[in-house]
Amino acid sequence: KAGVTQTPRYLIKTRGQQVTLSCSPISGHRSVSWYQQTPGQGLQFLFEYFSETQRNKGNFPGRFSGRQFSNSRSEMNVSTLELGDSALYLCASSLYHRPDSPLHFGNGTRLTVT
Amino acid sequence: SQKIEQNSEALNIQEGKTATLTCNYTNYSPAYLQWYRQDPGRGPVFLLLIRENEKEKRKERLKVTFDTTLKQSLFHITASQPADSATYLCALDPEATGNQFYFGTGTSLTVIP
Repeated sequence: KAGVTQTPRYLIKTRGQQVTLSCSPISGHRSVSWYQQTPGQGLQFLFEYFSETQRNKGNFPGRFSGRQFSNSRSEMNVSTLELGDSALYLCASSLYHRPDSPLHFGNGTRLTVT
Repeated sequence: SQKIEQNSEALNIQEGKTATLTCNYTNYSPAYLQWYRQDPGRGPVFLLLIRENEKEKRKERLKVTFDTTLKQSLFHITASQPADSATYLCALDPEATGNQFYFGTGTSLTVIP
């Protein structure tokens, strides 16, 4: 079974631009969550989607948004990029919307904002 | 403030020894706690989950304990190998909302041949 796929692998953007990242979950997984990972803050929860509905949202500004499609694929968008948005963005899928359901991560999109 | 702390950012041990990693949390009462491994440039990989009513969980050379009174989980790797070198993360879903996980700061383990 194919794992979680994230595209693109690397992105370089300029401050003020916007960016869209894509995530294809493991087949059959309906829950997709997004995390931001930085050296200073570690892994931080952005949001989670289940059955095309946002179920949880982390403490990030409204510039960060996402959506999930009927095939469970998900995208996240960051508008008006800031230098501090440079990070590894990780997508994770899970079979169930439950706290005992393991997360299966992709290898992330490395975003650099200049 | 809510926080999950893992012992020392870096841990170096000799091959064959047992590595013990610590995860301490405050202000939570999680029903489950998970451990992940992350290699450089890769996403975390799930290793083990332990429930609050389980004192210990084992998988091959891995062992996890969960002390809800101390608010602490210990992660042990026995007979460590250089291939075990990675960053290890603990994670919990404090409000059991389903997939809103808080991750620990991570411990970078290096096993020296």
